[in-house]
Amino acid sequence: SQTIHQWPATLVQPVGSPLSLECTVEGTSNPNLYWYRQAAGRGLQLLFYSVGIGQISSEVPQNLSASRPQDRQFILSSKKLLLSDSGFYLCAWSAGTGEETQYFGPGTRLLVL
Amino acid sequence: AQSVTQPDIHITVSEGASLELRCNYSYGATPYLFWYVQSPGQGLQLLLKYFSGDTLVQGIKGFEAEFKRSQSSFNLRKPSVHWSDAAEYFCAVGRYKLSFGAGTTVTVRA
Repeated sequence: SQTIHQWPATLVQPVGSPLSLECTVEGTSNPNLYWYRQAAGRGLQLLFYSVGIGQISSEVPQNLSASRPQDRQFILSSKKLLLSDSGFYLCAWSAGTGEETQYFGPGTRLLVL
Repeated sequence: AQSVTQPDIHITVSEGASLELRCNYSYGATPYLFWYVQSPGQGLQLLLKYFSGDTLVQGIKGFEAEFKRSQSSFNLRKPSVHWSDAAEYFCAVGRYKLSFGAGTTVTVRA
């Protein structure tokens, strides 16, 4: 069966520091991968999605970037964090075969101080 | 553009009572619709989905949802709630890119 991992689970970072969040999927090949952000008391906002290695689409202009160095690895990064980057970051995958149900990871709680 | 509205921010229900969560969507074609549940500090778990076919969809944990095209709705129901159903529920629409509602928090009282 498929499993999705995210780490770290929790992160506290100072403003202006870099960021790297990692997501990996097991048990599937060529998945579509997604990064979402969930602000407190709000729904989910799609940040990036990827249909293959090196293929990244950005949904909203922001301080973040994403990369997909391997088929089942998706990384969310920032060179300099802002206070507004605080939130709950969720990675998701879908099969990429036309059946596009998205399955979510456990999330990373990021607090920028 | 696609969007989802969940009109109820918070619902309180007694254990054993029925539950209905509302979801209205806007989508240009035949919608792909989903309901997810999120416990505090956790990721989202898929409850059920609708792509096509029977408009009454059964999901996990005793939940069901009904797709009504004429009303652009996809309401979630459960006949008898359990204390463990206390969580936040999200409706979503889309295919490759999902748009989520703001969520409905469900509190279950004994």
